[in-house]
Amino acid sequence: DTAVSQTPKYLVTQMGNDKSIKCEQNLGHDTMYWYKQDSKKFLKIMFSYNNKELIINETVPNRFSPKSPDKAHLNLHINSLELGDSAVYFCASSQDLGGSPTDTQYFGPGTRLTVL
Amino acid sequence: DAKTTQPTSMDCAEGRAANLPCNHSTISGNEYVYWYRQIHSQGPQYIIHGLKNNETNEMASLIITEDRKSSTLILPHATLRDTAVYYCIVRLFYNTDKLIFGTGTRLQVFP
Repeated sequence: DTAVSQTPKYLVTQMGNDKSIKCEQNLGHDTMYWYKQDSKKFLKIMFSYNNKELIINETVPNRFSPKSPDKAHLNLHINSLELGDSAVYFCASSQDLGGSPTDTQYFGPGTRLTVL
Repeated sequence: DAKTTQPTSMDCAEGRAANLPCNHSTISGNEYVYWYRQIHSQGPQYIIHGLKNNETNEMASLIITEDRKSSTLILPHATLRDTAVYYCIVRLFYNTDKLIFGTGTRLQVFP
């Protein structure tokens, strides 16, 4: 069984559109994250949620809105897509907010977003 | 910003040990060293972590210098499937948890 899954795997869309990426984890973890990997391969955290509560928001534009309907899901909605939003978006989860050194993050397979 | 520096790339022959160095000279006493890797187009994968003692698991060994300013990840018998970007991360394991990735080392294992 896939621990952290994301849909879709690929997303191609036009500038100005609104799109969503979904993430689900079946590990029973309390914390979920969104990371962005740009064209230069830099991987940077965007958001983290713990028990459906927003914990980290790393100065991400307001066009990005995460939503956590329950602990197992963290979706990313993006409004008014721009060319610079093209990237690979990774979802991750961990048991808690890093409360233990063994609390590692498990990553999903990524969603490659291309904005034309 | 990442608190670690790593070589941009390294090569290793299949079956040989791959030794990946990492400098973290500003590490503080309660920060751990973590290693993740990212195989092409996949999500990062946890490998190992340590505080000050050497650590070993089924994937790799981690050697941390006594002053904790640097460490080395060792893949004892590299295979072609170990070709990936390896990230060394200094992590404060409590409070808000976020992984700060640097540029990593691209390890190429060749036959």
